[in-house]
Amino acid sequence: NAGVMQNPRHLVRRRGQEARLRCSPMKGHSHVYWYRQLPEEGLKFMVYLQKENIIDESGMPKERFSAEFPKEGPSILRIQQVVRGDSAAYFCASSLPSGKQETQYFGPGTRLLVL
Amino acid sequence: AQSVSQHNHHVILSEAASLELGCNYSYGGTVNLFWYVQYPGQHLQLLLKYFSGDPLVKGIKGFEAEFIKSKFSFNLRKPSVQWSDTAEYFCAVRGSQGNLIFGKGTKLSVKP
Repeated sequence: NAGVMQNPRHLVRRRGQEARLRCSPMKGHSHVYWYRQLPEEGLKFMVYLQKENIIDESGMPKERFSAEFPKEGPSILRIQQVVRGDSAAYFCASSLPSGKQETQYFGPGTRLLVL
Repeated sequence: AQSVSQHNHHVILSEAASLELGCNYSYGGTVNLFWYVQYPGQHLQLLLKYFSGDPLVKGIKGFEAEFIKSKFSFNLRKPSVQWSDTAEYFCAVRGSQGNLIFGKGTKLSVKP
């Protein structure tokens, strides 16, 4: 599971700035999931993507948050006009193409701090 | 709505003590269940998983879990913990869209 890469590992932003979090799945994995972990909370699902397609974004806040997984390159989670409440650890997980029945492997996370 | 409940927020044990961490889920369909571990400063690692078959599942590092359908439970056990087991443990169930639904986690501290 060390094969899932996330960068940056730590990100500091001031209120109102944009945050871009990147996730490169394990080799051969074409399904990506993003989760958010708030302090003292478990991980909460945000969005599930396949290449060039959002499968389920039911956990994404309706405003300021967006995600993509282009044909080439990493998956990006973008947070516009960040607020202090966005401070959290954001984890990406990937799985094999069969998707729902496959094990998800997690990356090291990006810890976002909004000042 | 699907949910996962972990009973203990923080468990403190001495080395060689036995461990049992509780996990209950609410989901009426076919369940896929997981335990993940997060060592300090590291990412989540899969300990074990249950999809079907034998309800007693063996995982890595001497951990096991038992799926009891009638109790909607998937408790994690280890006969004898070590200091290196100090970590946070998360139980999860797979949701209908493939995403994982996590409990809030249990912090385990093992005293040497």
